[in-house]
Amino acid sequence: DVKVTQSSRYLVKRTGEKVFLECVQDMDHENMFWYRQDPGLGLRLIYFSYDVKMKEKGDIPEGYSVSREKKERFSLILESASTNQTSMYLCASSFTGTSVAGELFFGEGSRLTVL
Amino acid sequence: LAKTTQPISMDSYEGQEVNITCSHNNIATNDYITWYQQFPSQGPRFIIQGYKTKVTNEVASLFIPADRKSSTLSLPRVSLSDTAVYYCLVGDEGRSSASKIIFGSGTRLSIRP
Repeated sequence: DVKVTQSSRYLVKRTGEKVFLECVQDMDHENMFWYRQDPGLGLRLIYFSYDVKMKEKGDIPEGYSVSREKKERFSLILESASTNQTSMYLCASSFTGTSVAGELFFGEGSRLTVL
Repeated sequence: LAKTTQPISMDSYEGQEVNITCSHNNIATNDYITWYQQFPSQGPRFIIQGYKTKVTNEVASLFIPADRKSSTLSLPRVSLSDTAVYYCLVGDEGRSSASKIIFGSGTRLSIRP
């Protein structure tokens, strides 16, 4: 089975801190995604990557950056955390060539609280 | 990508068949229809995908009429463990579309004993 592992299930950080959220997948998927999920707003795409060292902005990239140095790892970085970044963060991966809207494999999520 | 519209919530009872309908009036020729399930504090999980007519797997069936402007996810004989949020998405292949996958608010399905 495909496994997408997010490094931390729960984090508490202070305003202004730099935050790293790590995601690793073990199925050699080309595409990796970072979403955030907030009540009433569904899942919103922050960034995605379709290859090593490649990245594309999603719908809400402001305040975030990403890094993909290796195919299996996709990191989300909050340069200076703010309280409005308190959210559930979800990482996903997929093969290139599958239907874009199909077969996204998600991690368990990382719930970030910024105080 | 085509926007989807689905009910905000639905209630049913154990053992019943549940049908959740999704509207996607602007679906494009190359778009597939995909459904995901999400339990609290977990990431969404792929359930089923189809292009036209009917698709069935061990979990659900997906009915798509000829005009493809809507689709219906059918869950046979639901149990309490089917309580979850269900998302309908449409989209096609291609890297250029990857950034446009849109998860709406989904349908919150509650199953009662």
